[in-house]
Amino acid sequence: GAGVSQSPSNKVTEKGKDVELRCDPISGHTALYWYRQSLGQGLEFLIYFQGNSAPDKSGLPSDRFSAERTGGSVSTLTIQRTQQEDSAVYLCASRITGTGIGINNSPLHFGNGTRLTVT
Amino acid sequence: AQKITQTQPGMFVQEKEAVTLDCTYDTSDPSYGLFWYKQPSSGEMIFLIYQGSYDQQNATEGRYSLNFQKARKSANLVISASQLGDSAMYFCAMKEGFKTIFGAGTRLFVKA
Repeated sequence: GAGVSQSPSNKVTEKGKDVELRCDPISGHTALYWYRQSLGQGLEFLIYFQGNSAPDKSGLPSDRFSAERTGGSVSTLTIQRTQQEDSAVYLCASRITGTGIGINNSPLHFGNGTRLTVT
Repeated sequence: AQKITQTQPGMFVQEKEAVTLDCTYDTSDPSYGLFWYKQPSSGEMIFLIYQGSYDQQNATEGRYSLNFQKARKSANLVISASQLGDSAMYFCAMKEGFKTIFGAGTRLFVKA
């Protein structure tokens, strides 16, 4: 597709259930990021992938959160045993990386997010 | 420690006037990039402008310009000739290596 695609767009789940959020980045974008945005707040960094590896997992809030990326493309963010404080919009972004001119200033391209509500 | 600081939770500006949104940052890396994004009420994140740490001139993109003061570690966004459609949240972000972190944002209200 032309842009970053996230699914589902909305997810309502009961406390204690597991959820999977999916991100399909722009083709050719090797870097992929997950952020969390609580209502009216800024973006909280969760995890970053370069290809299939995640050199920076420092933002994951707890061991209930995990993410993977396969084939250098689609990524899945999994939240186990969801809690009410997990309710937020989860944003995925991708960007092109490399050594060409202008690559270092390539911006993040965001999906429309998944709004997660834990009841 | 807070690396990106946006001290203005909310700002009002009259239509057609200019407005400055503040952003200060903290890094010890000599190579970094600064970005501004706009988030309208629809929720999408829209890239506005970029400034590299080695850039000698302030970045400009149409009605957007970045007032980059490296010694003061500030990268303020200036929007000229504000329009009603500029009402949105504005986020300053800094890229160090491959990581990009965001400030808390400033909500801009443009009055008719």
